[in-house]
Amino acid sequence: NAGVTQTPKFQVLKTGQSMTLQCAQDMNHEYMSWYRQDPGMGLRLIHYSVGAGITDQGEVPNGYNVSRSTTEDFPLRLLSAAPSQTSVYFCASSYNRGWVSGNTIYFGEGSWLTVV
Amino acid sequence: SQQGEEDPQALSIQEGENATMNCSYKTSINNLQWYRQNSGRGLVHLILIRSNEREKHSGRLRVTLDTSKKSSSLLITASRAADTASYFCATDAGYSGGGADGLTFGKGTHLIIQP
Repeated sequence: NAGVTQTPKFQVLKTGQSMTLQCAQDMNHEYMSWYRQDPGMGLRLIHYSVGAGITDQGEVPNGYNVSRSTTEDFPLRLLSAAPSQTSVYFCASSYNRGWVSGNTIYFGEGSWLTVV
Repeated sequence: SQQGEEDPQALSIQEGENATMNCSYKTSINNLQWYRQNSGRGLVHLILIRSNEREKHSGRLRVTLDTSKKSSSLLITASRAADTASYFCATDAGYSGGGADGLTFGKGTHLIIQP
């Protein structure tokens, strides 16, 4: 049982490049989400999914795209990287809307992205 | 927008002392959670307190919630060096308010336990 796995751990991109951050969970969780963490800003919700085939926008969705073709995977795509997207990205999952039911929410270890 | 605001931003105490962190929020919530983040790592869920609860305990952790003041506190008793980390409160304010279906985090309190 690996929990929530994010790859890559570190990435440097040039402005305008695109890339995909991978997130996979092996707990059969319906809910998955992506957050970014910036210094002094806490975590902010980018996109989330309540199940396969369903995605929605969070607080800061611009410049990012997601898809949920399977229950296990929830990749985050940066369409055209900008320096403002330099951040640490966290994927999280829970059995359902964990904060409503009290289920534990599991976070990945993070992906450090630098856009130059 | 930031829903939760932790106070203080940084806290340094001696091992064995108690550490208290506070969190304030702005809108109605169903529950409030506390997370710990060690340097360079992901967040780990510590405890959840529902809006109809006033106090909750888990090991050396004690969480209180005052919905009338829209505030919560996290107390860590008998601190250890391993408690050194950043602590975040998170609410379901977005979901409760008909917004995005996710957690709203504060900026965190950085706790340092001096040996």
